Amino acid sequence: DVKVTQSSRYLVKRTGEKVFLECVQDMDHENMFWYRQDPGLGLRLIYFSYDVKMKEKGDIPEGYSVSREKKERFSLILESASTNQTSMYLCASSLWFRTGERGDEQFFGPGTRLTVL
Amino acid sequence: AQTVTQSQPEMSVQEAETVTLSCTYDTSENNYYLFWYKQPPSRQMILVIRQEAYKQQNATENRFSVNFQKAAKSFSLKISDSQLGDTAMYFCAFMKLTDSWGKLQFGAGTQVVVTP
Repeated sequence: DVKVTQSSRYLVKRTGEKVFLECVQDMDHENMFWYRQDPGLGLRLIYFSYDVKMKEKGDIPEGYSVSREKKERFSLILESASTNQTSMYLCASSLWFRTGERGDEQFFGPGTRLTVL
Repeated sequence: AQTVTQSQPEMSVQEAETVTLSCTYDTSENNYYLFWYKQPPSRQMILVIRQEAYKQQNATENRFSVNFQKAAKSFSLKISDSQLGDTAMYFCAFMKLTDSWGKLQFGAGTQVVVTP
C-alpha cells in the first residue's frame, strides 16, 4: 500500500516563526502536492512538484515556499507564520500522469493541523 | 479555470438507507476525470470512485455509484445501504486530461452523518 506520512498531526506556532511541514511518500511517486483545507472552501492547492528540485505554484502560493531535495520528500515552508495560515495542511502524491497506471489517483497523508497564535 | 460546486454542506442518513450527494462543475474541457474522495474523522483522505468523462457508463464501486451527466456537468454520488463507517466528509474533484501533473480541483465538501 502507498503510504504518505506527515511529520506532525498537530502543530502550534507563534506569529513570525518559520515553520516546516514535512511529507514523505514510500511509493516512488513523481508528483507531490501540498493542499490547504479550510471549512467551506474544500482543498486548495498551494504548491506541487513533479520531480526533484522542480516545483510549480498552485492556486494559493502566497506566504508559502516548498523544497524537494529528494524524490520521496516534499517540504512546505511558512517563512513567517501568520494567524491567517492557521489551517489543516494535507500532502498528497501520485504517479507521473502519463504512466497510465492509475496515475490520476492521489494518495494523501493524514494531515497536519497547524495553529498560529 | 474549472470550478466544482457541492451545494450540500451536510447530510444526515440512517443506517441502511440511501443518500445522494450532488456535485456540479464548470469547464470548457471535453476530456477529464471526476472523483469522489472520502475523509473520515481520522482525516485520512481516500479515493471512493472515479469517472472518465469519455465513458458513458456510470462508475460503481460496491455500495457507491455515480450519476454522471456530462451535458449538465453534474456528477452525483449515491451511497446505498449506508453504514456507520460511511460517516465522513466527501469531496468531489475534477482533473483535466490535458494537465500533465494530474492536479485536482476540489469542491467545498459535504459532511455525511450516518445515524443508527
